Amino acid sequence: EDKVVQSPLSLVVHEGDTVTLNCSYEVTNFRSLLWYKQEKKAPTFLFMLTSSGIEKKSGRLSSILDKKELSSILNITATQTGDSAIYLCAVEDYGGATNKLIFGTGTLLAVQP
Amino acid sequence: DGGITQSPKYLFRKEGQNVTLSCEQNLNHDAMYWYRQDPGQGLRLIYYSQIVNDFQKGDIAEGYSVSREKKESFPLTVTSAQKNPTAFYLCASSPPVQGAVSEQYFGPGTRLTVT
Repeated sequence: EDKVVQSPLSLVVHEGDTVTLNCSYEVTNFRSLLWYKQEKKAPTFLFMLTSSGIEKKSGRLSSILDKKELSSILNITATQTGDSAIYLCAVEDYGGATNKLIFGTGTLLAVQP
Repeated sequence: DGGITQSPKYLFRKEGQNVTLSCEQNLNHDAMYWYRQDPGQGLRLIYYSQIVNDFQKGDIAEGYSVSREKKESFPLTVTSAQKNPTAFYLCASSPPVQGAVSEQYFGPGTRLTVT
């Protein structure tokens, strides 16, 4: 059965800390991996990764995919209270005629002042 | 303003009643999705539609039904057969990218409580 696993499930840090969130997957027809940030309601898109070893960056956030290890990490440097959210990892399952995203359970990040 | 709207934001129903959640998008996206989010379980796919008048079951379709009569609209009906309907429901859409799934854009969600 295809699955996406995120760790840790929750994390509490202080402002200024650096955090690393993990996502591992077992998806037969992998095409891409996506990261989303969910604050109170709608998840907002962060990154889409398709190629192994190429880091994507946006400000203090960065992410990289390792296809050999079937995993990805999301790094946040110099954390701020506004980074507090659930971070969701999703993998695109391209099943030929149809395709869909398989989501992990998410990592709940709390950044304390 | 382009985006996805879901209504209502909060919905309360008595057990045994069917209820329909609205999802509308003006992004001209072909694909639309419905997810359910429960605490500690992430997002689970209920139904998805890649084109008008066509839709497929996701991982937890039992007790739900959908229709896709217009490109802009993908309503979800939670029927009385759904055993645990209380949850946060998210609708999403994505543009077609040569047969691949693009990033999905999410609506603000509807929190359904059934008592």
